[in-house]
Amino acid sequence: ETGVTQSPTHLIKTRGQQVTLRCSSQSGHNTVSWYQQALGQGPQFIFQYYREEENGRGNFPPRFSGLQFPNYSSELNVNALELDDSALYLCASSLSWGTASYNEQFFGPGTRLTVL
Amino acid sequence: AQKITQTQPGMFVQEKEAVTLDCTYDTSDPSYGLFWYKQPSSGEMIFLIYQGSYDQQNATEGRYSLNFQKARKSANLVISASQLGDSAMYFCAMREGGTGNQFYFGTGTSLTVIP
Repeated sequence: ETGVTQSPTHLIKTRGQQVTLRCSSQSGHNTVSWYQQALGQGPQFIFQYYREEENGRGNFPPRFSGLQFPNYSSELNVNALELDDSALYLCASSLSWGTASYNEQFFGPGTRLTVL
Repeated sequence: AQKITQTQPGMFVQEKEAVTLDCTYDTSDPSYGLFWYKQPSSGEMIFLIYQGSYDQQNATEGRYSLNFQKARKSANLVISASQLGDSAMYFCAMREGGTGNQFYFGTGTSLTVIP
């Protein structure tokens, strides 16, 4: 059983650029959530995907968008990067039935994004 | 109002001693789940323990136990027999059952285990 993986590990971009982060969910999991964790803070929920559809969104602007693929892997896209987008981006997978998640989420190691 | 409040930015504990990390939560949803995660300096969030709002007994997982006081809306994590490897950030989180699958995290507590 493979765990949650994320790529790349680190990324440096400049303001105004676009970035795509990738996540492979744990085997058997059908739900992926994305979180932004600024330095010294707790993770903030960005959005969740269940069976390729967005299934909940936090307080993030539309320039944060995502995709989930048939194999349940996922991408997080951020357009028009701002300095405040510098953070650790965490992906978490879980097994869901309908609209309710079952117990815990398993997190990947994260992608550290730096915007200059 | 904050959904999850962790009032201890930093805690120190002697090796082999027990430590309690505080967490209070705010929800009007009768169905919810409470979680604790450990985040070492490497960044990965490691699931420790889960407590459902309808669970009658406090959850336990090895050296971890969750002191669930529903009326007080608190879900404190107790780590027994602390080890040096327990030094990390600890986050309390909540998922509300009726509003989708969003997890709300607290600001975390940094635990340092002293030899």
